[in-house]
Amino acid sequence: DAKTTQPNSMESNEEEPVHLPCNHSTISGTDYIHWYRQLPSQGPEYVIHGLTSNVNNRMASLAIAEDRKSSTLILHRATLRDAAVYYCIPIIKNYGGSQGNLIFGKGTKLSVKP
Amino acid sequence: GAVVSQHPSWVICKSGTSVKIECRSLDFQATTMFWYRQFPKQSLMLMATSNEGSKATYEQGVEKDKFLINHASLTLSTLTVTSAHPEDSSFYICSAPTLGESTDTQYFGPGTRLTVL
Repeated sequence: DAKTTQPNSMESNEEEPVHLPCNHSTISGTDYIHWYRQLPSQGPEYVIHGLTSNVNNRMASLAIAEDRKSSTLILHRATLRDAAVYYCIPIIKNYGGSQGNLIFGKGTKLSVKP
Repeated sequence: GAVVSQHPSWVICKSGTSVKIECRSLDFQATTMFWYRQFPKQSLMLMATSNEGSKATYEQGVEKDKFLINHASLTLSTLTVTSAHPEDSSFYICSAPTLGESTDTQYFGPGTRLTVL
């Protein structure tokens, strides 16, 4: 399994952009990079995923390095509700889909100050 | 998006009793569901994989006779903590994957907080 490295914690001010980095230098060529987040006392929720190209959705943007050894989750305007632990998770793909469990690292705890 | 529910959201029980936790996929079918456990200030740890119509597979170190898993239908998996002890107190979370054209996304339940007195 690919190993990931994320900062233990980060702080942001409300309404400002946040860049959450993840190093996944051992990722294989077919692994997708998924991001999940876990708000306090809740189950994790899916944020975004990508393979090679940068991706945008209503929650965030994902910037993937050209060599795929790192990626950055971008929250364009942090809100208090974005305070959570963010997990970067490579997903091993097998033919026909992974359907595998997610392996959670320690993630990055994001604090948002009003 | 897909919704996964868990019931109950929290439970307090006495040591030695059994507790059942339900995990339901509300608007999709799931042949596979996963059960995780999370202790305070720690990350999620996979306990077992629940397979519809067959036996669950357990991670190393997880007692299958203590944590009984039943995946009786394509929308329901249950985890029963038998003879619970205080060290079983934890946040139990289930998830179910959906099949996508390019990748799979997992949907998580809101979790069940178990406190064993």
